[in-house]
Amino acid sequence: NAGVMQNPRHLVRRRGQEARLRCSPMKGHSHVYWYRQLPEEGLKFMVYLQKENIIDESGMPKERFSAEFPKEGPSILRIQQVVRGDSAAYFCASSPGQGRSYGYTFGSGTRLTVV
Amino acid sequence: TQLLEQSPQFLSIQEGENLTVYCNSSSVFSSLQWYRQEPGEGPVLLVTVVTGGEVKKLKRLTFQFGDARKDSSLHITAAQTGDTGLYLCAGSLGGGADGLTFGKGTHLIIQP
Repeated sequence: NAGVMQNPRHLVRRRGQEARLRCSPMKGHSHVYWYRQLPEEGLKFMVYLQKENIIDESGMPKERFSAEFPKEGPSILRIQQVVRGDSAAYFCASSPGQGRSYGYTFGSGTRLTVV
Repeated sequence: TQLLEQSPQFLSIQEGENLTVYCNSSSVFSSLQWYRQEPGEGPVLLVTVVTGGEVKKLKRLTFQFGDARKDSSLHITAAQTGDTGLYLCAGSLGGGADGLTFGKGTHLIIQP
């Protein structure tokens, strides 16, 4: 099992373009979480999903950001019309149950740079 | 306002020394986790503590959850250069939310 797979590892987008970040959870894990890490900041929770459902999106900016975890395929974090302030490392984590009990397995992240 | 405060922010010590890093909050957490993160990688889970007063050992690492479940500490005995990294604590406030609140971390450097 290769663990949580995120791609791409690095993504460069011009202001106004769309960024699509992908996350394949560990085999057997049905809970997926997205976090953002800004330079010199801690990891910030964005969204928690289970298959085909958004459970908690309280950390997601109201505009331009969306997430999905379809029945088949990876979870996708989509950022529309990117701005310089979106530059950050985006981490996906998965868990076989609630993460607060089981702990999270994190991927290696996608580093988004907006130029 | 940072919900979880970690201290110290930076720590550089010699190999073989002991150290303790702290994670403090004014909020009560239903559980608390410690992670280690290396540059360019995602955090790796070290331990989960759930019960107030709980102590868990992982080889040379000892984790303690405060009695009131508001704070935690990580003690490393006889530090090794391989312990170098960013140590993050993360708490769950419980209820319906399952997202973790992370501290900013302690940057630990073990000098040979």
